[in-house]
Amino acid sequence: DAGVIQSPRHEVTEMGQEVTLRCKPISGHNSLFWYRQTMMRGLELLIYFNNNVPIDDSGMPEDRFSAKMPNASFSTLKIQPSEPRDSAVYFCASTLSVGRGYTFGSGTRLTVV
Amino acid sequence: QKEVEQDPGPLSVPEGAIVSLNCTYSNSAFQYFMWYRQYSRKGPELLMYTYSSGNKEDGRFTAQVDKSSKYISLFIRDSQPSDSATYLCAMSLNSNYQLIWGAGTKLIIKP
Repeated sequence: DAGVIQSPRHEVTEMGQEVTLRCKPISGHNSLFWYRQTMMRGLELLIYFNNNVPIDDSGMPEDRFSAKMPNASFSTLKIQPSEPRDSAVYFCASTLSVGRGYTFGSGTRLTVV
Repeated sequence: QKEVEQDPGPLSVPEGAIVSLNCTYSNSAFQYFMWYRQYSRKGPELLMYTYSSGNKEDGRFTAQVDKSSKYISLFIRDSQPSDSATYLCAMSLNSNYQLIWGAGTKLIIKP
């Protein structure tokens, strides 16, 4: 298995632009998570899906952030419009059992200038 | 007060030393305890997983859970420069509940 695949690895964009991050979870995993990691706040859960349905989106910072999971093998996190404070590493993770180990992707390093 | 507390470090030790990394938590209902290792510019990877109390050993790594003190530890024996990374603890109430994370401890092993 190729693991959790995220794209792009790096994204540099100008303030106000739309950014879309993509994730392909491990085949057979039924839960998918989007996290944001910064030096100041560490690892923050943004949203998680179970069987393609959003279960908890309380960590989504504001309406500029949206996430979708149209099928079991693909998810997107969109920021529109982007702001410099959105600069962070965004991780996608998947698992078969929410309370046990997650497998993380390599992350997308987002820089908004 | 955060649910899970972890000293961010950095913790710097010489090669070959025994390393002790710790987390404390406030919710006595936590049952699943994990340690993740994160290398620079990589995603966290699961290192050790423990259910309820007790010890678990895997090679040079030992995970300990003390539920009475609400305290978990990760010990690394014969530490190597390749162990230099950030170590994050995580825990959950049950198999259907999302993980609660510590802030991570940056570990540096000096050759």
